[in-house]
Parts: sequence; structure tokens; C-alpha cells
Amino acid sequence: SQQGEEDPQALSIQEGENATMNCSYKTSINNLQWYRQNSGRGLVHLILIRSNEREKHSGRLRVTLDTSKKSSSLLITASRAADTASYFCATDRRNFGNEKLTFGTGTRLTIIP
Amino acid sequence: DTAVSQTPKYLVTQMGNDKSIKCEQNLGHDTMYWYKQDSKKFLKIMFSYNNKELIINETVPNRFSPKSPDKAHLNLHINSLELGDSAVYFCASSWDRHGEKLFFGSGTQLSVL
Repeated sequence: SQQGEEDPQALSIQEGENATMNCSYKTSINNLQWYRQNSGRGLVHLILIRSNEREKHSGRLRVTLDTSKKSSSLLITASRAADTASYFCATDRRNFGNEKLTFGTGTRLTIIP
Repeated sequence: DTAVSQTPKYLVTQMGNDKSIKCEQNLGHDTMYWYKQDSKKFLKIMFSYNNKELIINETVPNRFSPKSPDKAHLNLHINSLELGDSAVYFCASSWDRHGEKLFFGSGTQLSVL
């Protein structure tokens, strides 16, 4: 079964607005990562947040993690047309040994100029 | 220089054929992966190698055989291709088996006719 599920599946906003995407997962994790995928391209790592962290920032990105609710959110502030892409969360499995990243189903973000 | 490069980018073939996808990374990473992304954008791990040693082998048909001649290369050979194998296959690498921050290739779109 899928470890991570993003919500919403698709999101369209005007350029300059903030975009928020959510990710829920099922099992305990060591860390949670967010990736971006532009159409026809590979995934690009955006940010990693560890299980003992609650919030992390990187440029216009803000990630939160609530391990009690097994959920994370990715906020992109002051969105730009170039932010149009699919965004995936990925979780590893705690004490799995060889860490295996499991990806969610993705949120398709469209920024309207 | 492309960090993770995979070839070919597109592969169109008939059912029953055997094909290979090559992957090379020049990042000096120890761990490499193959992921399969289906038409719904769901990304699932297939294999993982650490220093040429297989460490993760998901429930993948025996028709799929990865080969790692050295830690910079991880090739994927697929025998007796089936319609259901049509997907985008991504190679990725990370510094170590903990999988914190994966670097992805640009993908190989496989179409089985």
C-alpha cells in the first residue's frame, strides 16, 4: 500500500498567491522529503525534515511535520509560473535497515500567470 | 555535466522483446535505484544497489534483472516485455543507503506495443 498520499491531487492558483500541499503517511518515519517533478523530467529534491523537527524553511518553501498526526505540509509562498509542477512527498521506513523511500501520489500544481 | 544520466529517453518496442536501459551517475554516490512511474504518476521502487550489492528488491517479476558493474552504473534489463511494462522508468542515486536526498535521471519512457 502507498505510504504517502498528497492532498489535493491538483491545485490551481494565481501567480503571487501561496500554495499549500499536504501529505499523510501511515508508519513511523525517520524523515520526510519533498520533491518536485516538472513535466517530462526527473524528480528534484526540495527539502528534508527529520522526525524530531516540526518546521523547516528553504527560500520560499516552508515544510511542517506533525508526527502525531502522521502528516506534513509544503507551503510555497509568492508562487511563480516556474513553480508549475507535480510535488511529491517521500517517507522512509524507520528501522527498515536499508532505507526505502516510498513516494506519495503527488499534487499537480498549476500557477496561472 | 549531467549528474544522473539514463539512456535511452524513449523506448518503443513490441511485446515479447528484450530491452535494456542504462544508467550512470558521476556524483560518487554509493547507492543507486530504479523506480517505475505509472500513468497515474505513482512512483514505486523496484531495486536498490549499494556499492554494487543488491539491497532492495521489491516484488518485481523475474523478467526484470538489474546489473551493477560498478557503483557508478546500474542497468536494467527486461526480458519478454509485456503491455503492462509500459511506464516511465527512473534511475536515481544517493550518497548512501539511507536515501536522504535522491538525485534522479530524466527518465526513460517505455512503450510496449
